[in-house]
Amino acid sequence: KQEVTQIPAALSVPEGENLVLNCSFTDSAIYNLQWFRQDPGKGLTSLLLIQSSQREQTSGRLNASLDKSSGRSTLYIAASQPGDSATYLCAAPPKAAGNKLTFGGGTRVLVKP
Amino acid sequence: SQTIHQWPATLVQPVGSPLSLECTVEGTSNPNLYWYRQAAGRGLQLLFYSVGIGQISSEVPQNLSASRPQDRQFILSSKKLLLSDSGFYLCAWDPDSSADTQYFGPGTRLTVL
Repeated sequence: KQEVTQIPAALSVPEGENLVLNCSFTDSAIYNLQWFRQDPGKGLTSLLLIQSSQREQTSGRLNASLDKSSGRSTLYIAASQPGDSATYLCAAPPKAAGNKLTFGGGTRVLVKP
Repeated sequence: SQTIHQWPATLVQPVGSPLSLECTVEGTSNPNLYWYRQAAGRGLQLLFYSVGIGQISSEVPQNLSASRPQDRQFILSSKKLLLSDSGFYLCAWDPDSSADTQYFGPGTRLTVL
């Protein structure tokens, strides 16, 4: 059974600092690796998706890497802004599960102005 | 464009009362539909998914049930709520099993007292 872990559970940084969020998973035979953002009391918004054959994906200030052999993904957010404050969730569905997502517990980020 | 709706947005119910949460998707046909629960201090857990009308798969044993009476309607129900049913319920959809990502609704906050 896939288990997804996110460390740290919470992170507080001053504005302008780079953010590094970690995600680890136990079953490396994943369908893809997805990063989501969740604002308080809201649904999830997809940020980045890395196909199992890819090593990284970039969108603006966001960059996500994937190392299947070690069961890890890292989300980098450059030059953080107060608007980046949210909870970030990763999901690593195993190939056998198709698109039934297995989520980590999330990292709650606070960017202080 | 496609949109996903959930209602109600918030709900406070006594223990032992029934429950009905509704999710509808617009702008697409024959979507895969998912119900997730996010309990306090815990990650998102997949409860049910459906690939078509009347086709429901349960991921975890629980006090809840799901139904799909129409192509773009997904309902989460309970005959008698427990305290442990409290949480944030999210509905999601994707076009098919090979889809890249899921699209989430705004969620329903359920408090059982």
